[in-house]
Amino acid sequence: DAGVIQSPRHEVTEMGQEVTLRCKPISGHNSLFWYRQTMMRGLELLIYFNNNVPIDDSGMPEDRFSAKMPNASFSTLKIQPSEPRDSAVYFCASRRTGTSGRGNEQYFGPGTRLTVT
Amino acid sequence: GNSVTQMEGPVTLSEEAFLTINCTYTATGYPSLFWYVQYPGEGLQLLLKATKADDKGSNKGFEATYRKETTSFHLEKGSVQVSDSAVYFCALRVQGAQKLVFGQGTRLTINP
Repeated sequence: DAGVIQSPRHEVTEMGQEVTLRCKPISGHNSLFWYRQTMMRGLELLIYFNNNVPIDDSGMPEDRFSAKMPNASFSTLKIQPSEPRDSAVYFCASRRTGTSGRGNEQYFGPGTRLTVT
Repeated sequence: GNSVTQMEGPVTLSEEAFLTINCTYTATGYPSLFWYVQYPGEGLQLLLKATKADDKGSNKGFEATYRKETTSFHLEKGSVQVSDSAVYFCALRVQGAQKLVFGQGTRLTINP
């Protein structure tokens, strides 16, 4: 199993530019989560999807952030326009809901380190 | 609300020392409890979990026991190795919910 795949691994952009982060969940997982990690705020849940439908986006910081999941194998997190305070590591995680045991826990991708200058 | 409080870091130990990282929680429902580990430059990995009171989760020499009476889930290891250096996160998920609630993380450094 390839695990959760995120791209790019590193992104450096200038303030005001649009940034798109991508995630491919583990095949067969039907829930997907976007997190942001910073030194100041720790690990924050931004939004999660269940069966491609956004369920809770209360963690999305502001309208500059948007997330989509057009199908079960792909999701994007977009920041437009980006600002220096958006610099962080963004993680995607996936989970198979409705089953018991270890296999239904959240599996994290390696993250995208975003730097906005 | 639901929250997790972890022992403040960073924690620095010598190889073969005994490790304890404290974790306490507050939950409105009956939570499952987790420890995740994040190695440098990587995403979080599930280390162990417990789903009901008095359950003990264990993996790679680490253990944690679900203590409902003290609302705690402390992580322990009898003899740490340099390769255990990482950031450790305690987390909970209330029954029926999707969201994990994480603690702030504890950075552990093991010196040879």
